[in-house]
Amino acid sequence: GAVVSQHPSRVICKSGTSVKIECRSLDFQATTMFWYRQFPKQSLMLMATSNEGSKATYEQGVEKDKFLINHASLTLSTLTVTSAHPEDSSFYICSATPGGTGELFFGEGSRLTVL
Amino acid sequence: SQKIEQNSEALNIQEGKTATLTCNYTNYSPAYLQWYRQDPGRGPVFLLLIRENEKEKRKERLKVTFDTTLKQSLFHITASQPADSATYLCALENDNFNKFYFGSGTKLNVKP
Repeated sequence: GAVVSQHPSRVICKSGTSVKIECRSLDFQATTMFWYRQFPKQSLMLMATSNEGSKATYEQGVEKDKFLINHASLTLSTLTVTSAHPEDSSFYICSATPGGTGELFFGEGSRLTVL
Repeated sequence: SQKIEQNSEALNIQEGKTATLTCNYTNYSPAYLQWYRQDPGRGPVFLLLIRENEKEKRKERLKVTFDTTLKQSLFHITASQPADSATYLCALENDNFNKFYFGSGTKLNVKP
């Protein structure tokens, strides 16, 4: 299957700082990538759809100025959590579907802890 | 908006038995429905996709059914093994076919 890689897998930061998470499709091109957030024992909540070469589409209730998404190439999307606070601590996961197959391939996830 | 419901209670079964997990949705019927497996601290892994015109799909010990009348999908694991213990998620596309939404998942525990 297709491979999606995420980095970093774990990050701890101080409150008020910004954190960037990278998502790469290693063996296919992805015009669209999806960013999810997952709190402990809860399901994946779609945050935004990242579109290559254009602005991301955010889900209702997700602050686009806080969660900056950039999809500068067909293999890389980045999520930047700006001015992070403890309530932003969560598991962030990206995914992509190659060639419109409908199957989502996920990255390994990034565990963010804001102190 | 679409609501996807999975049993939030963990399912505990004995090794060798068949596990059956349920996914119900409330609104429009999707063109297809998917099932994923998620292990703790990991991203979900795609298992099966079933289209609206398919009643049943099989892959090794896995079987998925899709009933658009009941708005329900059942996910079966036959001859279950302790290694099958994980959380299983169902996912549907939205009505514009450009986003994927997930159910809350059901945790399966297979005891030896």
